[in-house]
Amino acid sequence: DQQVKQNSPSLSVQEGRISILNCDYTNSMFDYFLWYKKYPAEGPTFLISISSIKDKNEDGRFTVFLNKSAKHLSLHIVPSQPGDSAVYFCAASGRFQGAQKLVFGQGTRLTINP
Amino acid sequence: DSGVTQTPKHLITATGQRVTLRCSPRSGDLSVYWYQQSLDQGLQFLIQYYNGEERAKGNILERFSAQQFPDLHSELNLSSLELGDSALYFCASSVGGQPTYGYTFGSGTRLTVV
Repeated sequence: DQQVKQNSPSLSVQEGRISILNCDYTNSMFDYFLWYKKYPAEGPTFLISISSIKDKNEDGRFTVFLNKSAKHLSLHIVPSQPGDSAVYFCAASGRFQGAQKLVFGQGTRLTINP
Repeated sequence: DSGVTQTPKHLITATGQRVTLRCSPRSGDLSVYWYQQSLDQGLQFLIQYYNGEERAKGNILERFSAQQFPDLHSELNLSSLELGDSALYFCASSVGGQPTYGYTFGSGTRLTVV
């Protein structure tokens, strides 16, 4: 089972507040996790990542938290800005049947309201 | 500009037809990955090529095929097109053959089958 799930298709947050995007995975063999951001008419772009040996990684306004026991990761954006409005994909990397694979969630559309 | 080039950006064709999508990877990258994003769906992995050889296969239909040429550009061929094949098709590239740390996406080709 290689599923990665983002259960919230959309999220609306007021400018300046915290945005929290969630992602769950089902297989403990995943050992590296990434978040991608996608604007309309563009391809996904890498945002931030975390290794399974860590529980937190921070880059400016973006922080990713990993809870391995719960098989859950989250992306926090503080403070949220209008330019953060985009679709966010989480992805998990792991080795399955001898091959390294990267599996994406369905995405969460984040809208930042002024 | 991510460095991954996809052409054409848009394609409209009729059911039953065949189309070819083209991807040039980022300079120095040996791997090319193809993904499909349908409406309300996440990024579905189709196929990966590494230095001209097929490396991994995902949910790719038999009507679809791909190849990577000696200059490392790749083509995705879609035949006997159906309405349900309408989607965004993304190409991504990475230096090595393993997608452990993610990869760089192109801006995609939007295919509309009418």
